[in-house]
Amino acid sequence: DAGVIQSPRHEVTEMGQEVTLRCKPISGHDYLFWYRQTMMRGLELLIYFNNNVPIDDSGMPEDRFSAKMPNASFSTLKIQPSEPRDSAVYFCATSSWDSPLHFGNGTRLTVT
Amino acid sequence: DQQVKQNSPSLSVQEGRISILNCDYTNSMFDYFLWYKKYPAEGPTFLISISSIKDKNEDGRFTVFLNKSAKHLSLHIVPSQPGDSAVYFCAAKIIQGAQKLVFGQGTRLTINP
Repeated sequence: DAGVIQSPRHEVTEMGQEVTLRCKPISGHDYLFWYRQTMMRGLELLIYFNNNVPIDDSGMPEDRFSAKMPNASFSTLKIQPSEPRDSAVYFCATSSWDSPLHFGNGTRLTVT
Repeated sequence: DQQVKQNSPSLSVQEGRISILNCDYTNSMFDYFLWYKKYPAEGPTFLISISSIKDKNEDGRFTVFLNKSAKHLSLHIVPSQPGDSAVYFCAAKIIQGAQKLVFGQGTRLTINP
């Protein structure tokens, strides 16, 4: 099992540009979570899906953020337009109902 | 509103001694708690967990203690080893509720030789 796969590992972009982060979950896991890590707030939950359906998006900071899960094998987190304060490490994590979360290695986003 | 708090951003411990990482929570509905360990440039990995029906869970060198009345849990590592140097995150959830985990800010543990 390759684990949760995120791409890209690093993303550097200019303010105002669109950014798309990608995640491939572990096969068989029906929960998918997007977290953001910052020094001040640690790991913040942005949104999570169950069986490809968004369940709770209350952590999405603004309308500039959107997430989709078109099928069980793929999810995206999009920021448009990006701002410098969006700079952080974004993690995708997946689980089944009785397993701990398994995290990907994250995408480090830098917005200049 | 930080429901799970780790008030110590960093901790330094000598190799072979005990490391104690602390975590406080405010939501009394939380009934399952976990610790995750994170190395640089990697995602967090699950370390140990405890249900609210217990007050202690042990796995090798790692022990988690839960004090429900104080809404406090701690992770003990004995003896500490250089490979334990990492960031440790405390997390909590409600078993019968949503599957989402609420994490603390993390504590950076450094084990000195």
